[in-house]
Amino acid sequence: EPEVTQTPSHQVTQMGQEVILRCVPISNHLYFYWYRQILGQKVEFLVSFYNNEISEKSEIFDDQFSVERPDGSNFTLKIRSTKLEDSAMYFCASRPQGNQPQHFGDGTRLSIL
Amino acid sequence: AQRVTQPEKLLSVFKGAPVELKCNYSYSGSPELFWYVQYSRQRLQLLLRHISRESIKGFTADLNKGETSFHLKKPFAQEEDSAMYYCALSKPRAAGNKLTFGGGTRVLVKP
Repeated sequence: EPEVTQTPSHQVTQMGQEVILRCVPISNHLYFYWYRQILGQKVEFLVSFYNNEISEKSEIFDDQFSVERPDGSNFTLKIRSTKLEDSAMYFCASRPQGNQPQHFGDGTRLSIL
Repeated sequence: AQRVTQPEKLLSVFKGAPVELKCNYSYSGSPELFWYVQYSRQRLQLLLRHISRESIKGFTADLNKGETSFHLKKPFAQEEDSAMYYCALSKPRAAGNKLTFGGGTRVLVKP
């Protein structure tokens, strides 16, 4: 069964540095998402992406965040200048056209020092 | 604003006992409701959604619009049901169909 894949599984970065989290959605999927889960808290929506543009973003997704689909397979989340409070598990998800559920990746654990 | 509440952080039951995970939501329209499960060291997986009205791994969930609830039930819990369970909501046919999650309930099924 095809899966959403995320790399790396764990990223450790110094505060203030830029980080890029990578996702390969399932190949025939058209809608892409990023969520995050701070330790002990809820899974929170960050952004959704369709047809090469952001379709919705949350209040969390401020100017330090950006998403990109640089080629036909990757979907990336960039955090420009990381802060301690960005430490969290980041999940990528994708779904196909139509009223279909989202499929999640394993997540990337981001630790900001 | 849409919100999902799972009042129990932890449910501990014995194997063979019934289990019910509560989920209440707040949304002005007719939402889509989901249950996702996360087994140890695995990804979030869709368990079931209300529009499917099916039973997966013995679990069922009924959408009660009057009580704004979508409780998950299983009559006889198994040890392999031990996992983290998340209730989630999305707006139907919305452009992004983002999911709003509850805080999750950890289920521990004891032998």
